Amino acid sequence: GNSVTQMEGPVTLSEEAFLTINCTYTATGYPSLFWYVQYPGEGLQLLLKATKADDKGSNKGFEATYRKETTSFHLEKGSVQVSDSAVYFCALKGGAGSYQLTFGKGTKLSVIP
Amino acid sequence: EAGVAQSPRYKIIEKRQSVAFWCNPISGHATLYWYQQILGQGPKLLIQFQNNGVVDDSQLPKDRFSAERLKGVDSTLKIQPAKLEDSAVYLCASSSTGTGMTDTQYFGPGTRLTVL
Repeated sequence: GNSVTQMEGPVTLSEEAFLTINCTYTATGYPSLFWYVQYPGEGLQLLLKATKADDKGSNKGFEATYRKETTSFHLEKGSVQVSDSAVYFCALKGGAGSYQLTFGKGTKLSVIP
Repeated sequence: EAGVAQSPRYKIIEKRQSVAFWCNPISGHATLYWYQQILGQGPKLLIQFQNNGVVDDSQLPKDRFSAERLKGVDSTLKIQPAKLEDSAVYLCASSSTGTGMTDTQYFGPGTRLTVL
């Protein structure tokens, strides 16, 4: 079945540091890939998505590229801010005709001034 | 546009008691999902409705969990009787069609359940 593996946290960075959160997946077929973000006390929000190989999703300075050859969808941001502190979830949908979302365990990011 | 609404936000009960959660999806969304998110894990789908019919409830513990979506709009999720391991955040989400690779799920703020 489908599965998502993302780097374990927590991750602590200083403001303006470069961020990478690794995500790899296992799926049959051609899934769509997503990053969701969960700010403290709030629900999950879609951050970005990519629906086919080599697509790059981007939003709010974050970006991730769908790499089919390495089955990866790593999240990056060039300069993090304190307001980026949240839990980030990698997820996939599809492959073998399923439209269910499968989530990773989440990576907690803390950005300190 | 209003988002997905859930209530209550927090609930504390003792084991063997019953509890119910309510969800109001985004207007016009045909598909509604209930997820369970245990601390330190990603959300796990419990049940998916398409309008007022169940599409997938394969991971719903049917001996104690039940859900309904009357008239294809609001939904309630019930646990009876609750166990300690049911302590989690229960998330409701909705999407426009529930099919297709680009259909996006929108999540509510969740209900945090603590079972003592």
